Amino acid sequence: DARVTQTPRHKVTEMGQEVTMRCQPILGHNTVFWYRQTMMQGLELLAYFRNRAPLDDSGMPKDRFSAEMPDATLATLKIQPSEPRDSAVYFCASGPMIGETQYFGPGTRLLVL
Amino acid sequence: DAKTTQPTSMDCAEGRAANLPCNHSTISGNEYVYWYRQIHSQGPQYIIHGLKNNETNEMASLIITEDRKSSTLILPHATLRDTAVYYCIVRVSNSGYALNFGKGTSLLVTP
Repeated sequence: DARVTQTPRHKVTEMGQEVTMRCQPILGHNTVFWYRQTMMQGLELLAYFRNRAPLDDSGMPKDRFSAEMPDATLATLKIQPSEPRDSAVYFCASGPMIGETQYFGPGTRLLVL
Repeated sequence: DAKTTQPTSMDCAEGRAANLPCNHSTISGNEYVYWYRQIHSQGPQYIIHGLKNNETNEMASLIITEDRKSSTLILPHATLRDTAVYYCIVRVSNSGYALNFGKGTSLLVTP
């Protein structure tokens, strides 16, 4: 049963520290998405990739967030420096190039103190 | 993507059918209706999607009105594990783009 995996599942850090979240998309999926979920904003898109190329990262604060896909099996979301307002659950999702179902990972729960 | 309107919350008794409505009066001819749900502390999960015909799979049924301005997701025999937030999303198919989640409907299935 293929699944999207995310690490770490939980992260507590102090303001100013760097945070790196990792995602392993389902093998063969060509699109990868990063979403953030908070109580106030709900689920919102941060960035997404197609064939490892970034297509849209307009949802990310450019000065502190960066998203990359070093290879087809790994997507990373980095926050540097982290701030308390970044506390949220970060979800990664992947999907086939043609087709509509997006498969979500279990999320990384980030708390910035 | 067309805007959708869903009730904030609904209750359903276990074993009964749960009917979740969604209004999408500005839907375009090439836009599909998708449903995802999110169980507490988990990532969203795809349920079903359709264009204009009614659809059914192992999880649910989707009924789309003839004018396509509204739809209903039906969970035929709700269980406690169906308690979740249900999102109705309208978008062009095969676009490969991100999903635009709204607030969704919080469904509580009670014993």
